[in-house]
Amino acid sequence: DTGVSQDPRHKITKRGQNVTFRCDPISEHNRLYWYRQTLGQGPEFLTYFQNEAQLEKSRLLSDRFSAERPKGSFSTLEIQRTEQGDSAMYLCASSGNQGTEAFFGQGTRLTVV
Amino acid sequence: DAKTTQPNSMESNEEEPVHLPCNHSTISGTDYIHWYRQLPSQGPEYVIHGLTSNVNNRMASLAIAEDRKSSTLILHRATLRDAAVYYCILLKAGTALIFGKGTTLSVSS
Repeated sequence: DTGVSQDPRHKITKRGQNVTFRCDPISEHNRLYWYRQTLGQGPEFLTYFQNEAQLEKSRLLSDRFSAERPKGSFSTLEIQRTEQGDSAMYLCASSGNQGTEAFFGQGTRLTVV
Repeated sequence: DAKTTQPNSMESNEEEPVHLPCNHSTISGTDYIHWYRQLPSQGPEYVIHGLTSNVNNRMASLAIAEDRKSSTLILHRATLRDAAVYYCILLKAGTALIFGKGTTLSVSS
C-alpha cells in the first residue's frame, strides 16, 4: 500500500466553477478526514467519515461544500461555485478503527482565479 | 475543545537535543496527547502520542507531566530534516485532530 493518495495534486479553476477532489485512503482504514490549509496556518478540520457515515462536519463546511464516501472506500470533496477564498491546500487523512495514528496525503492545491 | 499552547518558533543546532513544550492546562482524563509535524510542502506526519506515561519511539520521546497539564516532545539529535512545524494536539478517541498554529522549528548546521 502506498499510503493515502489524492487526486489531482493541483487544480486551477475559474471563479464560479465546480471542482471535485478524490482521496483514496489506506485500504484497511475505516476513518477518513478532510482538512483545508492556507499559507501559514495549521490544517483546518472540514469533515470526518467512519466507513460511509459522515459523522462530523465543521461549520467551515458551507453549503457549497459536499463530501461523500460511497461504500466506505474512497472519498470525494466537491466545491460548487468556487470563490477566490476557496484557494487552499485540501488534505485528506485516514486512520484505523482506534483512530490513533492518522496518515495524511500530499494534498490537492486549489487555485481559484 | 481542550486547547494547547505552544511557542510560535524555536531554534536548534544540528545534532543537539530539542525540547518542544506544550501546555494543556484544561486537559481531560480521556484526552490523548498527540504530536504531528509538517515538513514544507508536505502533509502532516504522525510523530508520537501518549496518555499518562512517557513514550519513546524511533522518531522522538514524549515526556508527560505528572498532572498532565503539560508535555514535552524531545528530539534527541536534531537534523536538518527535522525542520518543520510541530503540532501538539489533544485528541479524544473517535474524534478528529484539531490543529493549532504549532511551533516552527528551525535547525542550523
